[in-house]
Amino acid sequence: DAKTTQPPSMDCAEGRAANLPCNHSTISGNEYVYWYRQIHSQGPQYIIHGLKNNETNEMASLIITEDRKSSTLILPHATLRDTAVYYCIVRMDSSYKLIFGSGTRLLVRP
Amino acid sequence: KAGVTQTPRYLIKTRGQQVTLSCSPISGHRSVSWYQQTPGQGLQFLFEYFSETQRNKGNFPGRFSGRQFSNSRSEMNVSTLELGDSALYLCASSWKGTGNGNTIYFGEGSWLTVV
Repeated sequence: DAKTTQPPSMDCAEGRAANLPCNHSTISGNEYVYWYRQIHSQGPQYIIHGLKNNETNEMASLIITEDRKSSTLILPHATLRDTAVYYCIVRMDSSYKLIFGSGTRLLVRP
Repeated sequence: KAGVTQTPRYLIKTRGQQVTLSCSPISGHRSVSWYQQTPGQGLQFLFEYFSETQRNKGNFPGRFSGRQFSNSRSEMNVSTLELGDSALYLCASSWKGTGNGNTIYFGEGSWLTVV
């Protein structure tokens, strides 16, 4: 079973920041938080991952709380092409597989 | 560099037939894994290969099998197809499958419809 909890759906206005929350209260010390997104009919796309520090790349920022029990993916300026299902996944360093939950369906409104 | 490549992208098969799907990982990646995505069950892990060895398998019947070649390319096979096997089959690759930095990257998938 997935070890994360995400809201089933969210929406935001185009050009605004999209903040997607994820709860992973049972995360252990050697588990990373990964984010993927899946645009309709395509394969999941890797976005970002982190262990305990905040991370930023060209796509998004990942904010992990100090106790690591939750995190937020931030898309700073959402566009219509960011409409997708976003998956938050915790993964052990030694694990070779991803366990997907139901994700959050993000709708970016014009 | 090129991403994970899967062929064919779409195919239609009849119940009882078998199907083989192909996957070429990102150059240099030695771990290849397969996932099945259906509306009812979501994304589920099928199996993972590294250096031509299957390291683990998900909870799927024996009709689902796979293999990996010495060049890291992989194939998966589903025999005696059932209507419920209709799904998006996703291949993913990473450098070695485990450890931080070994991010898993997905292909675009193969859409299988069983009629």
